[in-house]
Parts: sequence; structure tokens; C-alpha cells
Amino acid sequence: DAKTTQPTSMDCAEGRAANLPCNHSTISGNEYVYWYRQIHSQGPQYIIHGLKNNETNEMASLIITEDRKSSTLILPHATLRDTAVYYCIVRVAQTGTYKYIFGTGTRLKVLA
Amino acid sequence: DTGVSQNPRHKITKRGQNVTFRCDPISEHNRLYWYRQTLGQGPEFLTYFQNEAQLEKSRLLSDRFSAERPKGSFSTLEIQRTEQGDSAMYLCASSSSGTGGAKLDGYTFGSGTRLTVV
Repeated sequence: DAKTTQPTSMDCAEGRAANLPCNHSTISGNEYVYWYRQIHSQGPQYIIHGLKNNETNEMASLIITEDRKSSTLILPHATLRDTAVYYCIVRVAQTGTYKYIFGTGTRLKVLA
Repeated sequence: DTGVSQNPRHKITKRGQNVTFRCDPISEHNRLYWYRQTLGQGPEFLTYFQNEAQLEKSRLLSDRFSAERPKGSFSTLEIQRTEQGDSAMYLCASSSSGTGGAKLDGYTFGSGTRLTVV
């Protein structure tokens, strides 16, 4: 199974962009990269996903390198409510569906 | 629809007791997953149902653990003879088997059941 590595923690000033890196050097050609975040005492929440191309939605942007061995999640204007643990996940195929293999994530703290 | 619902939110039990958790997925979702999360770690996959069929179980799911989804709707996770090492957050997620786009396979997680074994 592909694995991801992320920095343990990061700080970001409120209003600035938060750039969260992720390495997934063993990713296979058809495996998607997903990002979820988990706010204290809640279940993980979907943010964004991608395969090869950069993606953007109302929450964030995802930049995937051309060799697909790493990616960066960008929160363009971080707020205090973005303080959470962010998980970069490679989705792998399993019987009839897909399985998400979580790492330990990056604990992002947005500072006032 | 209010999303994935898990009950109870918290459970404290004595070592050796049995506990059961319930998960109500999003009504139109046919896939249901259980994960376990210990402190400071990411969620770990336990098992997965498509409708009422349990299609995969992790080796983390020892013989003391059993999960059911009898009518393809809600699911229960039972732990027998609980041990202190079972203390964790138990997360349920659901998804839909869509035909287009990876997001249709994206999971919606519940808020979890936090189990403490004393």
C-alpha cells in the first residue's frame, strides 16, 4: 500500500496562506490523493482530491507534482477555524470499493 | 439527511465487559466502514460492508470484535471482553457506489464513539 509522509505540525498566521506538504513517493498510477481534516473530537472531513492535475474548490487548492510523488494542500486565507489535523491519504483499491490509509497527519495551528 | 450518526458518543466500561456501538449511515449510501483511532494516530481501517455483506476485515479486528449490518442500513460494532488496549475512538463512515467521479467514493464520517476501558 502506498504511504504518505507529512510534517508533524505547522503554524500559520491568520489570513495568510497555509501550505501543507505531503510525500507519496510510492503512489501508483491510478491511485488518487485525498485530503481530509479532523477538528478536535469530530470525524474527518473531506477537503479535496486529485489524480494528476491541480484542483481547486471552495475550501482549498491541491497542487500535485508532475511525477505525482508529492503534493501540497493550500488553504488560501487561513482562519482560526482551520486549526485541525490535516491528513494526506492515498486511496487504494480493495474489494468492491476503495480504502483510505491514513498517516499521522499534520497538526495545523492558525495563530491570531 | 443529517449525515452519519453514531451512538453513543462516549462509553466508559470496565475491563472484561461487552460493549456495542451503533452507526446510522447516510440513507442512500450502500457502503459502510468502521475505523479505529487511538490518541495521536490517524484512523485505522477495521472493516467494510457493501449493503449487508461484510466484504473485508482488517487483521486488527480480533475474534473479540464483530460487526453486523443486518438489513444493509445501520451497523453495529460489538467488542466482547474489553481490554484496556481497546480504548480508542471508533469511527464509522459511509459512501455511495457512484459511477462517475472519485468524489462519489469519498467518505462521510460520523463524529465517532469514544471508548474508555478502565
